[in-house]
Amino acid sequence: KQEVTQIPAALSVPEGENLVLNCSFTDSAIYNLQWFRQDPGKGLTSLLLIQSSQREQTSGRLNASLDKSSGRSTLYIAASQPGDSATYLCAVTQGAQKLVFGQGTRLTINP
Amino acid sequence: EAGVAQSPRYKIIEKRQSVAFWCNPISGHATLYWYQQILGQGPKLLIQFQNNGVVDDSQLPKDRFSAERLKGVDSTLKIQPAKLEDSAVYLCASSRGQEVGYTFGSGTRLTVV
Repeated sequence: KQEVTQIPAALSVPEGENLVLNCSFTDSAIYNLQWFRQDPGKGLTSLLLIQSSQREQTSGRLNASLDKSSGRSTLYIAASQPGDSATYLCAVTQGAQKLVFGQGTRLTINP
Repeated sequence: EAGVAQSPRYKIIEKRQSVAFWCNPISGHATLYWYQQILGQGPKLLIQFQNNGVVDDSQLPKDRFSAERLKGVDSTLKIQPAKLEDSAVYLCASSRGQEVGYTFGSGTRLTVV
């Protein structure tokens, strides 16, 4: 059974810092990995999608990497801003398009 | 393209009452999912449809939860009777293929009192 773990559970950093969020998964037989952002009381917004054959994806200040063999992914946020405060979730896709989520990292950027 | 539509946004009911949620996926997306997200946890898959057929409902509490996707488009998730532990956000998502990822709706926040 696939298990996805995100560390840390919560993170608080001052504005302007670069930071890394971690995601690990137990079964390397995945089709892709997706990072989402969730604001309080809201749904999930897709940030980056990495196919199993890819190593990384970039969008603006965000960079996500994938090491499928070791079961790890990282989300790098450069020059953090207060508007980046949210919960970040990673999820992997397995057979039959089943999406399995981690517990999320609650990020707070302090002005 | 229009996003995944869900309604209602919020619902408060008493335990043992029934409730229904509605989801309209992105046009052309064959796969539709219902997830339950309890406060502080990641979303948990309840049921997955491919067109109007069920692909996975292994984590759906079938004694009280039911879902349907008639005509392979919009979907309804029902809880009857509700329990206090059903308080959560219910998220609907759709996809046209795993190569392009998933799109989520805004969710329905259910409070059972």
